[in-house]
Amino acid sequence: EVQLSESGGGLVQPGGSLRLSCAASGFTSSSYFMNWVRQAPGKGLEWVSTISGSGGSTYYADSVKGRFIISRDNSKNTLYLQMNSLRAEDTAVYYCAKEMATNGHGIDYWGQGTPVTVSS
Amino acid sequence: SYELTQPPSVSVSPGQTARITCSGDALPKQYAYWYQQKPGQAPMVVIYKDSERPSGIPERFSGASSGTTVTLTISGVQAEDEADYYCQSADNNGAYPVFGGGTKLTVL
Repeated sequence: EVQLSESGGGLVQPGGSLRLSCAASGFTSSSYFMNWVRQAPGKGLEWVSTISGSGGSTYYADSVKGRFIISRDNSKNTLYLQMNSLRAEDTAVYYCAKEMATNGHGIDYWGQGTPVTVSS
Repeated sequence: SYELTQPPSVSVSPGQTARITCSGDALPKQYAYWYQQKPGQAPMVVIYKDSERPSGIPERFSGASSGTTVTLTISGVQAEDEADYYCQSADNNGAYPVFGGGTKLTVL
């Protein structure tokens, strides 16, 4: 059974940093692209970042480019998101999401999400 | 940047058919996916690759694609189907996922 479990969220001041982790199980993590997707309070889903199975390719939304870094450790089946220079508008629930390996970057499994609040 | 356009809301009575559309220029080239999200829960895929239904998803959920528009159809809507629905696909280059703005389905 595929399981994704995020951790590391919390309250941080503007300009601060936070590192999210996503522990994966039930599949060979190196075979799949992984994503971080966020949802601000009362808003829709927003793609944040994608990493290839090997970790060699990464992609970022313009809103986080230069501030966030996605990475993965396939030996630990863990996905990370290093978030720096955080802003109030980064406040959201952050979901870890596994892709299906299909055209269109479809997602078949989501974690339960970890909340991040950026406030002084 | 690439966008997928959905209606903000759709309302139907129980037993009726709900149709939610999603428009995007790259949809003829990229598969579309539909996710259901209920309050306080993570999204869940209900349709993948335009029209495929994952195991465990009721048959009343179906998907179709026509040109630059994809449609999620829920036949015989039930109260439990009330939720937010998001379409998702990729840009023309297929580099990253893109989400529609979401449609709130209200069962009257």
